[in-house]
Amino acid sequence: DTAVSQTPKYLVTQMGNDKSIKCEQNLGHDTMYWYKQDSKKFLKIMFSYNNKELIINETVPNRFSPKSPDKAHLNLHINSLELGDSAVYFCASSQEYRAGEAFFGQGTRLTVV
Amino acid sequence: QKEVEQDPGPLSVPEGAIVSLNCTYSNSAFQYFMWYRQYSRKGPELLMYTYSSGNKEDGRFTAQVDKSSKYISLFIRDSQPSDSATYLCAMKKDGGFKTIFGAGTRLFVKA
Repeated sequence: DTAVSQTPKYLVTQMGNDKSIKCEQNLGHDTMYWYKQDSKKFLKIMFSYNNKELIINETVPNRFSPKSPDKAHLNLHINSLELGDSAVYFCASSQEYRAGEAFFGQGTRLTVV
Repeated sequence: QKEVEQDPGPLSVPEGAIVSLNCTYSNSAFQYFMWYRQYSRKGPELLMYTYSSGNKEDGRFTAQVDKSSKYISLFIRDSQPSDSATYLCAMKKDGGFKTIFGAGTRLFVKA
């Protein structure tokens, strides 16, 4: 039973399209995150929600919009996709935002062509 | 200067070797120190978690934190080919929101 699951696992789309990535965790955690990992494996925080409230909103283009319908779900919607958006996007969760330990999903490999 | 510095490698060792992976950091406010292991095309998984200074051991893995030098290490004893992965250090301030990751060190253990 997967703790943090993301869909889809792979996403290939054309420039200018709008796409969404979904994430669900069954760990009962209060905090969820979206990370972006570039081709050099550098992992960078994008957003974080704690109990459905946005607590981290890093400097990312406003084409990226997170949405948390409930504590167990955090989705990422991307408008007007660009070539530079190609990366692996990871969802993660932790018991609460103060804790360092996080559990990651398997990632969504986004390729914009 | 990046907040967390980690040599990306790659690091190649023979099976059975002791592996030492390291990170340095600049922010003395970091109190939580983590090591994640990431296999190819998988998500990072938490390997070791330490609060403040000291050592922590778990099987073949030992994590060390030296706050005076702003230096953390992960040692892997009796390394196995299955340890081949990218190892990411990560750290966080007490009460802070963000976890800062190092660039990751790619490790290859040859049979």
